[in-house]
Amino acid sequence: DVKVTQSSRYLVKRTGEKVFLECVQDMDHENMFWYRQDPGLGLRLIYFSYDVKMKEKGDIPEGYSVSREKKERFSLILESASTNQTSMYLCASSQIGEPGNTIYFGEGSWLTVV
Amino acid sequence: GQNIDQPTEMTATEGAIVQINCTYQTSGFNGLFWYQQHAGEAPTFLSYNVLDGLEEKGRFSSFLSRSKGYSYLLLKELQMKDSASYLCAVRDGGATNKLIFGTGTLLAVQP
Repeated sequence: DVKVTQSSRYLVKRTGEKVFLECVQDMDHENMFWYRQDPGLGLRLIYFSYDVKMKEKGDIPEGYSVSREKKERFSLILESASTNQTSMYLCASSQIGEPGNTIYFGEGSWLTVV
Repeated sequence: GQNIDQPTEMTATEGAIVQINCTYQTSGFNGLFWYQQHAGEAPTFLSYNVLDGLEEKGRFSSFLSRSKGYSYLLLKELQMKDSASYLCAVRDGGATNKLIFGTGTLLAVQP
């Protein structure tokens, strides 16, 4: 089974703190993604990466950065957390090649910024 | 622009059939996915359609009409455990397998 692991399930951070959300996948997938999920807005893509050290902005990259130093690990960074970044963050990965390849999600990280 | 529409909420009765619709307008199209998401959990894959027609998988079926920009997910013999959000997602035509998600349909199955 594909495993996408997000290291932190629940975090509470203060405004202005730097926050790291870590994600590791064990299926040697090339693509990795970070989404946030908010009520009424669905899943919105923040950043994605299709190779080590490569990254592309998604639909809502402002206030976020990412790092992909190793193929299996994709980190989301909030340089200075703000209350409007309180959300559920989902990491995902997928294989390139076939369009039918689904993406696999981690269990999510619930971030509260106070 | 990119737009995917689904009903926000639906209610159905245990043992019945329910159809969840999804319409989309996207700049490219390389397949449509349905995911199930229980409260507090990650979305899990249900189905994939890239050609027009019906794909059946047990109690769940998914239909696609590319010319109409329309899909539906059909759930038969509903069970209480089917209470969840159902997410429609379209893969864009680029090389990066990016998925664009609708806001999801919250299905409540009642006894």
